[in-house]
Amino acid sequence: DAGVTQSPTHLIKTRGQQVTLRCSPKSGHDTVSWYQQALGQGPQFIFQYYEEEERQRGNFPDRFSGHQFPNYSSELNVNALLLGDSALYLCASSLSLVSYNEQFFGPGTRLTVL
Amino acid sequence: AQSVSQHNHHVILSEAASLELGCNYSYGGTVNLFWYVQYPGQHLQLLLKYFSGDPLVKGIKGFEAEFIKSKFSFNLRKPSVQWSDTAEYFCAGTFKAAGNKLTFGGGTRVLVKP
Repeated sequence: DAGVTQSPTHLIKTRGQQVTLRCSPKSGHDTVSWYQQALGQGPQFIFQYYEEEERQRGNFPDRFSGHQFPNYSSELNVNALLLGDSALYLCASSLSLVSYNEQFFGPGTRLTVL
Repeated sequence: AQSVSQHNHHVILSEAASLELGCNYSYGGTVNLFWYVQYPGQHLQLLLKYFSGDPLVKGIKGFEAEFIKSKFSFNLRKPSVQWSDTAEYFCAGTFKAAGNKLTFGGGTRVLVKP
C-alpha cells in the first residue's frame, strides 16, 4: 500500500516565478492538507481540501492556491515566488475531516527560491 | 489563537537515559494532541495521539505521553532511549474551534549518543 507521495522531490525557482507541487494521498484517504516547513521550524498549515473544495485555510496570502481532483490527489500552486517561500512543503492525507484521525505525511518537496 | 509550544529545541543524552520532552498548548476547549517523529531522511510519522479517555497514552517504540488538562500539557516520555531514537520530535494539536488542521510546535531535536 503506497503511502502519501509527492512530486517533485526538489525544485529550484527564481523570484517572481510560479510553481506547482503535486500530492497523491494514501489509498482510501479523501482529505489532503498542505503544510510549509521552514528550516528549523515546525510545519505551518497552509490549507486543506475535501470533496474538491478548500475547507480551511491558514495565514497564507492568496499567492498560495490549490486544487483537489476527483481521485483525491491535490496540487499546491504558488505564484510570484519570494525568497521567503523557500521551504519544505509537506502534504498530509487523512480520512474525512474528523479531528482525531491521524494525518499521514509525504516526504515533502524542497523548494528553493533564488 | 491556539498554539503549541515545545520547551526544548535540542536535547543530547546517552543511550539508556530517560527522555522527557515538554509540550504545552493554549486553548480552553476540546483538543486532540499528537506526537510526531521525523527520523533522519524520513517522513513525519505518528508516535501516539490523545483524543479522549485514559490521559496516559502509549505509542510505538516504547514511547508514552500524559495529557494533563489542568497544566495544558502533553509531555512525551521514554524510560530508556536507544541510539535509533535520534530524531526530531514534534508535538501537534487540533482544536475544536479550528477544525482538524494540525498546529505544530517548533520541534525538539534529540541526539542520542551511543
